[in-house]
Amino acid sequence: QSALTQPPSASGSPGQSVTISCTGTSSDVGTYNFVSWYQQHPGKAPKLMIYEVSKRPSGVPDRFSGSKSGNTASLTVSGLQAEDETDYYCSSYAGSNNLVFGGGTKLTVL
Amino acid sequence: EVQLLESEGGLVQPGGSLRLSCAASGFTFSSYAMNWVRQAPGKGLEWVSGIRISGSRTYYADSVKGRFTISRDDSKSTLYLQVSSLRVDDTAVYYCARALVGATLHAFDMWGPGTMVTVST
Repeated sequence: QSALTQPPSASGSPGQSVTISCTGTSSDVGTYNFVSWYQQHPGKAPKLMIYEVSKRPSGVPDRFSGSKSGNTASLTVSGLQAEDETDYYCSSYAGSNNLVFGGGTKLTVL
Repeated sequence: EVQLLESEGGLVQPGGSLRLSCAASGFTFSSYAMNWVRQAPGKGLEWVSGIRISGSRTYYADSVKGRFTISRDDSKSTLYLQVSSLRVDDTAVYYCARALVGATLHAFDMWGPGTMVTVST
């Protein structure tokens, strides 16, 4: 199963919004509403930010939102803050009891 | 405290074996599906294996199928991953991760700090 495609990097200024894309295929993102997004600071475990395309776990700021169109899912971070600068990964259920991750995007707050 | 804690990994020679464990505390372990996810140095996340509640079904990535075995002991609130026939490209930090209630594979809401497994001569 091929990994999902994410841009290696993204950036935005404090207070602005930035969107990170996650492109899969009709076998994963396009078929299943089981897309998740994780935030990972260096040397730390990932943290779930979005699940089932657009749902936020308790405690995740509403500045983080998710959406999907066709084979591409997106994570939008609004009102960028310095602490948002880190790595983000998407994942999608891919059928046949398989899960695939994206390659990761490094978000820089300018 | 609600947490997951993996056992210490280590240095293993190619072809060798190791058993990783993940001790859960602060929640009803038996009520959740569990998974292992790994991350090679400087690389992205890779799902490795999952196990349903009560261990009724197990799932593996193609890259580890036939070499790794996931299991759980609900009486000890512990998840295991037996890794065998290790290859250099199995070198990674291995995380145990709890699936959301009602899910098995698609979203992980709690992660351990990870344990490093290095496969090298």
